[in-house]
Amino acid sequence: QSALTQPASVSGSPGQSITISCTGTSSDVGGYNYVSWYQQHPGKAPKLMIYDVSNRPSGVSNRFSGSKSGNTASLTISGLQAEDEADYYCSSYRSSSTRGVFGGGTKLTVL
Amino acid sequence: EVQLVESGGGLIQPGGSLRLSCAASGFTVSSNHMSWVRQAPGKGLEWVSVIYSGGSTYYADSVKGRFTISRDNSKNTLYLQMNSLRAEDTAVYYCARDSSSGWYHGYWGQGTLVTVSS
Repeated sequence: QSALTQPASVSGSPGQSITISCTGTSSDVGGYNYVSWYQQHPGKAPKLMIYDVSNRPSGVSNRFSGSKSGNTASLTISGLQAEDEADYYCSSYRSSSTRGVFGGGTKLTVL
Repeated sequence: EVQLVESGGGLIQPGGSLRLSCAASGFTVSSNHMSWVRQAPGKGLEWVSVIYSGGSTYYADSVKGRFTISRDNSKNTLYLQMNSLRAEDTAVYYCARDSSSGWYHGYWGQGTLVTVSS
């Protein structure tokens, strides 16, 4: 039951844009439009930022956007702000005897 | 307002058992899909288990046969019974309310820490 693959870290300066990738297989990311993204600040619970590949929940800034191509999903944050510094996790439905899987997480540093 | 409050964590010896609770308010647990997700110290998120509104349950391979997810409709509470605990089960355990369609965890509790150590 391997996790989805994310880069361990990304960084960017305020105002810039960054993209975090999330690579899976045809049994999860590539097979369903059920990719979600979560933001987690230290010591806090995760927060849903994107669901169903590219949808934003109410209250989430439109600086956050999601997309997918084949077995790889992406989260893009534009106009980076200091408050965006956090860990980001992707998640997907998986067609197996289990159901869900997360990525290993990406630490975003705002320089 | 949707609220989820976990409890029941603590220090337990290897091989022991523990039951986590997740008290919900603002919605009905039995009408929603509910998951448990855990996070080992300094590590990433790991999905653990889901119970669908219809009652079907699924588990991560790492806990299958040892953990059981359930709910008490009268108490509007979700549970995770954890048996044969191992050191690698040490983590903060979060409960989450899942989407009614698709797959995402829309609301999360604050988590409860389980430490498995002798």
